[in-house]
Amino acid sequence: DQQVKQNSPSLSVQEGRISILNCDYTNSMFDYFLWYKKYPAEGPTFLISISSIKDKNEDGRFTVFLNKSAKHLSLHIVPSQPGDSAVYFCAASESGSARQLTFGSGTQLTVLP
Amino acid sequence: NAGVTQTPKFQVLKTGQSMTLQCAQDMNHNSMYWYRQDPGMGLRLIYYSASEGTTDKGEVPNGYNVSRLNKREFSLRLESAAPSQTSVYFCASNPTGFSGNTIYFGEGSWLTVV
Repeated sequence: DQQVKQNSPSLSVQEGRISILNCDYTNSMFDYFLWYKKYPAEGPTFLISISSIKDKNEDGRFTVFLNKSAKHLSLHIVPSQPGDSAVYFCAASESGSARQLTFGSGTQLTVLP
Repeated sequence: NAGVTQTPKFQVLKTGQSMTLQCAQDMNHNSMYWYRQDPGMGLRLIYYSASEGTTDKGEVPNGYNVSRLNKREFSLRLESAAPSQTSVYFCASNPTGFSGNTIYFGEGSWLTVV
């Protein structure tokens, strides 16, 4: 039973528009959430994170929103660029422990020029 | 800037063969990890090492062994490979066991067991 779910395996958006990637979780003990980006033939790289004491965290074009009551988080990319085309993994942990990271299955984002 | 280096990048094994995936990091990190990634699933933790000299099981340890040879190196061994172990393997490290935002991944090792 997957505790972190990314229900959309793929998403396509036009360059300049907003990309919204969604993630749901079931474990109420998760208190730290992260997004990773992965290009083909490379390892994942950290993108942005949010603690459960916040509901929004912004870093440049990337914003993560957390809705604890719905156990849902989303990543917004505005404006989307072709270089953003990658697989995005949502991950969650308890008490910020990296050894307890639970990953979603990933969403392939394609930004069309 | 090497970061986390994994070898080999690609390997084909026959069922029952053994092999070792090597991983080394040059960032003086204490904690190291081995993950596997399968289609339709996220990365799953196989084993981790919180510090030199310690190793612990992760979510999917069966069929694997690990060695934390020193602070830099963390190897993953398949003693008797099975087709179910066909996967992409990622090694990772971070300074401590906390803060997933400081975890660095290698480029991956593609393993096929036939």
